[in-house]
Amino acid sequence: AQSVTQLDSQVPVFEEAPVELRCNYSSSVSVYLFWYVQYPNQGLQLLLKYLSGSTLVESINGFEAEFNKSQTSFHLRKPSVHISDTAEYFCAVSSYSSASKIIFGSGTRLSIRP
Amino acid sequence: NAGVTQTPKFQVLKTGQSMTLQCAQDMNHNSMYWYRQDPGMGLRLIYYSASEGTTDKGEVPNGYNVSRLNKREFSLRLESAAPSQTSVYFCASSGGLAGASEQFFGPGTRLTVL
Repeated sequence: AQSVTQLDSQVPVFEEAPVELRCNYSSSVSVYLFWYVQYPNQGLQLLLKYLSGSTLVESINGFEAEFNKSQTSFHLRKPSVHISDTAEYFCAVSSYSSASKIIFGSGTRLSIRP
Repeated sequence: NAGVTQTPKFQVLKTGQSMTLQCAQDMNHNSMYWYRQDPGMGLRLIYYSASEGTTDKGEVPNGYNVSRLNKREFSLRLESAAPSQTSVYFCASSGGLAGASEQFFGPGTRLTVL
């Protein structure tokens, strides 16, 4: 069985500061990893994903995540956050054998202070 | 393209009442999903349909039924609502490779059971 742990339920940071949202997973098979973002009163949207190849993946709005197989982690980082990044972020894991199902973490609420 | 649409947006029920949540997608996706989102628990899969004509239980199926009416539509029914079913419900769809595909989410239905 697969599982995802997001270690922080809330992360407050100041605008233009760097941020890291932590995600660890467990799986007995090769995994696909995702970060989804949920803005207030909206559904989730894909932010970035790791399927194979380069372990560092980037989004169009400056976020990046690195797949670390030895530490079973997929932490999300941004060097300088903006007020518009205020949202809840969900890490998720799946595999080829999971019949299109993915397992979501419990979420991390990122709040940006001016 | 509308993407994934859900109706209604809000609903208040009394304990024991029944209702059906509707979901439709216009992306020609094979797989569709129903999740519930509760504070601090992330998204939990209720039921999913990997392809037209098939449905399977997810993590929390008790108290719910689903129908994959056609490739576009996937409905969720509560036969006898309970206060524990108060939640935000999201429908999602995906296409492509099993497990590796992005899921596209609807805007959600906020359900309160009194």
